[in-house]
Amino acid sequence: EPEVTQTPSHQVTQMGQEVILRCVPISNHLYFYWYRQILGQKVEFLVSFYNNEISEKSEIFDDQFSVERPDGSNFTLKIRSTKLEDSAMYFCASNPNSGTSGRLHTDTQYFGPGTRLTVL
Amino acid sequence: QKEVEQDPGPLSVPEGAIVSLNCTYSNSAFQYFMWYRQYSRKGPELLMYTYSSGNKEDGRFTAQVDKSSKYISLFIRDSQPSDSATYLCAMSSSNFGNEKLTFGTGTRLTIIP
Repeated sequence: EPEVTQTPSHQVTQMGQEVILRCVPISNHLYFYWYRQILGQKVEFLVSFYNNEISEKSEIFDDQFSVERPDGSNFTLKIRSTKLEDSAMYFCASNPNSGTSGRLHTDTQYFGPGTRLTVL
Repeated sequence: QKEVEQDPGPLSVPEGAIVSLNCTYSNSAFQYFMWYRQYSRKGPELLMYTYSSGNKEDGRFTAQVDKSSKYISLFIRDSQPSDSATYLCAMSSSNFGNEKLTFGTGTRLTIIP
């Protein structure tokens, strides 16, 4: 069964450094997302991405964050200057959604295994 | 008031018992409701997906939605030790592709053999 993959599984970095988290969404999916989960807290939406542009972003997704789909398979999250509070699990998700809505559409989001980011 | 509330547990039940997990929400725009299972240090895995009010059954799992009460439930019958995980409810106001999911905090469940 196709699945979302993420690399690396664990990333350790120094405060102020740039990190890039990588995701390979399921191949025929059209929408891509990043969520994060700080230890012991709930999963929080960061950003959604469609047709090579951001569809929606949360308050958390400030100027230090960016997303990119550099080729036909990868989807990346870049954090420009990491802070201690960026330490969290980062989950990528994808959705096959055709771009329409309604009760007959049961497409939803499928999550990857996550990247644990530790900022020292 | 939090948008989605979920009792974090932990909840421990003996093997074979029926488990009931619940979430309440405040945003009346939510129409799509999901339950995800998350094992330790893994990503959320979709278990159930429902639209609006009503019941949906899949094997040992039943999802219930009561929009009038803004209350959703997941029932697990004949619980197994392999069901031990954190269960997350999630919801959205549409299933349009860019719609974000809003999650509860998750309930940590342990099934005791």
